[in-house]
Amino acid sequence: DAGVIQSPRHEVTEMGQEVTLRCKPISGHDYLFWYRQTMMRGLELLIYFNNNVPIDDSGMPEDRFSAKMPNASFSTLKIQPSEPRDSAVYFCASTSPQLIVAFFGQGTRLTVV
Amino acid sequence: RKEVEQDPGPFNVPEGATVAFNCTYSNSASQSFFWYRQDCRKEPKLLMSVYSSGNEDGRFTAQLNRASQYISLLIRDSKLSDSATYLCVPQAAGNKLTFGGGTRVLVKP
Repeated sequence: DAGVIQSPRHEVTEMGQEVTLRCKPISGHDYLFWYRQTMMRGLELLIYFNNNVPIDDSGMPEDRFSAKMPNASFSTLKIQPSEPRDSAVYFCASTSPQLIVAFFGQGTRLTVV
Repeated sequence: RKEVEQDPGPFNVPEGATVAFNCTYSNSASQSFFWYRQDCRKEPKLLMSVYSSGNEDGRFTAQLNRASQYISLLIRDSKLSDSATYLCVPQAAGNKLTFGGGTRVLVKP
């Protein structure tokens, strides 16, 4: 298995633009997590899904952020409009209750200028 | 109070020495506990699970204290390659994984 795949690896965008981050979980994993990591705030859980259904989105910072999981093999995190304070590394991770351990993608480094 | 708290460090450790640090959690219903390791500009990876009775994996020992709601990680005979950030994560109900801010360890020759 190729592991959790995130794209793009790097994204530089101008303030006000829409940004879409993508994640393909490991096949067979029914939990998917989106995290944001900054030096100041550490690794923050934004939202997580179970069987494609959002379970807890209390970490989503504001309405500019939205996440979807249309099927078991794909999820998106969208920021519209983006702001400089959204600059961070965004990680996607997947797991299953049987496995317990979460596997992370390599992250998307987002810079909003 | 944050759900999961860790001393950010850095812990500067001479090579070959022992270092230990804790992680406190607020959700008493947390069921499983883990330590992850994150290298600079990389993704977190599982280091070890933490069992109620404590467990050891080579030079690494993890302990759980449910009464005081903390877990600990001890590294013996530190190697230069142990330099990393160590993240703790209690697994709450619904498989929710909330990570601590991490403890940075720097092992120096």
